[in-house]
Amino acid sequence: GAGVSQSPRYKVAKRGQDVALRCDPISGHVSLFWYQQALGQGPEFLTYFQNEAQLDKSGLPSDRFFAERPEGSVSTLKIQRTQQEDSAVYLCASSPPLRLAGYEQYFGPGTRLTVT
Amino acid sequence: GNSVTQMEGPVTLSEEAFLTINCTYTATGYPSLFWYVQYPGEGLQLLLKATKADDKGSNKGFEATYRKETTSFHLEKGSVQVSDSAVYFCALSVNSGYALNFGKGTSLLVTP
Repeated sequence: GAGVSQSPRYKVAKRGQDVALRCDPISGHVSLFWYQQALGQGPEFLTYFQNEAQLDKSGLPSDRFFAERPEGSVSTLKIQRTQQEDSAVYLCASSPPLRLAGYEQYFGPGTRLTVT
Repeated sequence: GNSVTQMEGPVTLSEEAFLTINCTYTATGYPSLFWYVQYPGEGLQLLLKATKADDKGSNKGFEATYRKETTSFHLEKGSVQVSDSAVYFCALSVNSGYALNFGKGTSLLVTP
């Protein structure tokens, strides 16, 4: 498959546990975005990478959230000491180089996180 | 700040009815505008886009025109099908290739 993949698709965590969510972007895509989608809401921007550089993390809701993309491909979103308000679908999107992009982002299926 | 407001759903229509989903925006600079669709059990997909004023985006019978004077990007389709049942999101990006600001989404149900 050539699309964006995310794992796990579903994650249940007890309050206080740490979780790690993985995103495999489309090969060759330079830009990678993480979004958080609460139930019944639109996606909200969390953070943005261009290759391995995290250029914007202004949307991360607290210092418990951390994202990395060390080799400019796979990215991991880590949430420490999970809280109930972290329950949401976490979406990853990637985008090719700007000259090819036409501004389109390609979304993965998301990881549904439930904190109990 | 940048934001998108779209009509609340759910919207229920009979097959072959005319569809309009309103979307207005507030943005600094000159945004690009998008409609994304999320079919049941699937991920977000780009439906159409417009990158400058008066551009019309179109795909699968859906259309939307970038109206700078009314800061709007309303989605229309002349004759909806049951298979169009999905959640539709209006979004903007103020920098090329940058993060999207989404509306809350409008759920559409088309009945036979």
